[in-house]
Amino acid sequence: GQQVMQIPQYQHVQEGEDFTTYCNSSTTLSNIQWYKQRPGGHPVFLIQLVKSGEVKKQKRLTFQFGEAKKNSSLHITATQTTDVGTYFCAGLPANQAGTALIFGKGTTLSVSS
Amino acid sequence: DGGITQSPKYLFRKEGQNVTLSCEQNLNHDAMYWYRQDPGQGLRLIYYSQIVNDFQKGDIAEGYSVSREKKESFPLTVTSAQKNPTAFYLCASSDPGQGLEQYFGPGTRLTVT
Repeated sequence: GQQVMQIPQYQHVQEGEDFTTYCNSSTTLSNIQWYKQRPGGHPVFLIQLVKSGEVKKQKRLTFQFGEAKKNSSLHITATQTTDVGTYFCAGLPANQAGTALIFGKGTTLSVSS
Repeated sequence: DGGITQSPKYLFRKEGQNVTLSCEQNLNHDAMYWYRQDPGQGLRLIYYSQIVNDFQKGDIAEGYSVSREKKESFPLTVTSAQKNPTAFYLCASSDPGQGLEQYFGPGTRLTVT
């Protein structure tokens, strides 16, 4: 079936280091979304990318959508302890009306000060 | 104050009993979703509904049932046929006209012994 693979599963960094998580889909996507889940909390929407090659920034976070619309990445510059949590990508398969988002398994980020 | 509510936050049941988890939204969203979250497994889709009185199975529907009699409500029943019901259950809603950005409830942690 259709899958969205996300790597790495876990990442530990020192505060101030950069962090990147990658998302790859087995099928072309019409859009991709990113969510953050803090420990003990629920996923919260961060951003949606729609266009091929799109790049969006939110302060220290940079999101990219690949040219083929099958992969995406989230890069955090100079991590802070507030960045701790699990980051999920979620893609909507293209040309499949009525389907639901497919979530990756997430990357759990820990940050030590 | 708009949002999604799930109750209760924690639920304990004996094996062999059916249990129904509540999900209510006042965002006027057409689509609603149920996910199961286990450690290291990400979010797995159980059922989703794009309109009242209609719903579709997700990836792991076996042992679960839903109803969508009202736009604002999408209860999930965990039946005794579900072999490993202990998990964190998340409900979400979205407005398809807004690109399927999903709003999640706080979740219900179900423990079956």
